[in-house]
Amino acid sequence: AQSVTQLGSHVSVSEGALVLLRCNYSSSVPPYLFWYVQYPNQGLQLLLKYTSAATLVKGINGFEAEFKKSETSFHLTKPSAHMSDAAEYFCAVSAAPRDKLIFGAGTRLAVHP
Amino acid sequence: ETGVTQSPTHLIKTRGQQVTLRCSSQSGHNTVSWYQQALGQGPQFIFQYYREEENGRGNFPPRFSGLQFPNYSSELNVNALELDDSALYLCASSLVGTEETQYFGPGTRLLVL
Repeated sequence: AQSVTQLGSHVSVSEGALVLLRCNYSSSVPPYLFWYVQYPNQGLQLLLKYTSAATLVKGINGFEAEFKKSETSFHLTKPSAHMSDAAEYFCAVSAAPRDKLIFGAGTRLAVHP
Repeated sequence: ETGVTQSPTHLIKTRGQQVTLRCSSQSGHNTVSWYQQALGQGPQFIFQYYREEENGRGNFPPRFSGLQFPNYSSELNVNALELDDSALYLCASSLVGTEETQYFGPGTRLLVL
């Protein structure tokens, strides 16, 4: 069975500060891992994905994530937060193409001036 | 833009009624999945359709049913609505060749009174 744990339901940073959103996963097979962002009253937008290629994955809007098998982690980072980054972020895992996505509970990112 | 559209955007129903939600994706997106996102939670997998046949189901009762059509559109039907069915319903589709990646529509927000 697969599962995702996102540590910290709320994260608050200052504009220009480092963003670090934590995701740990559990999977019995090599996983596919994803980060999605959700702005208020909208659907989910794909930020980046890991599909067993490079362990450091670069996504849109300056975000990146590193797959660490030994730590079963896939943390999301951005060097410098922008006000427009304020949103809900979801980490998700799947086991295979056309498999269901298992989501974490989400982390709400607030960015202060 | 993911090319996935959903209708309606909002819907209000009363307990016991039936509802049909619609999703449309682009040519080549032969897999469609539906998710339920309750307020403050991550999305939960309802079911998936691949080439117009159900290809997996989450922990949802049979009153949740669906269809996928040859024109890359899909429906989610919910019978005998309950108050707990109030949620954001998300449709996601995958493109042939990259089926591990799901692109989400904007969602339909359903309120059951």
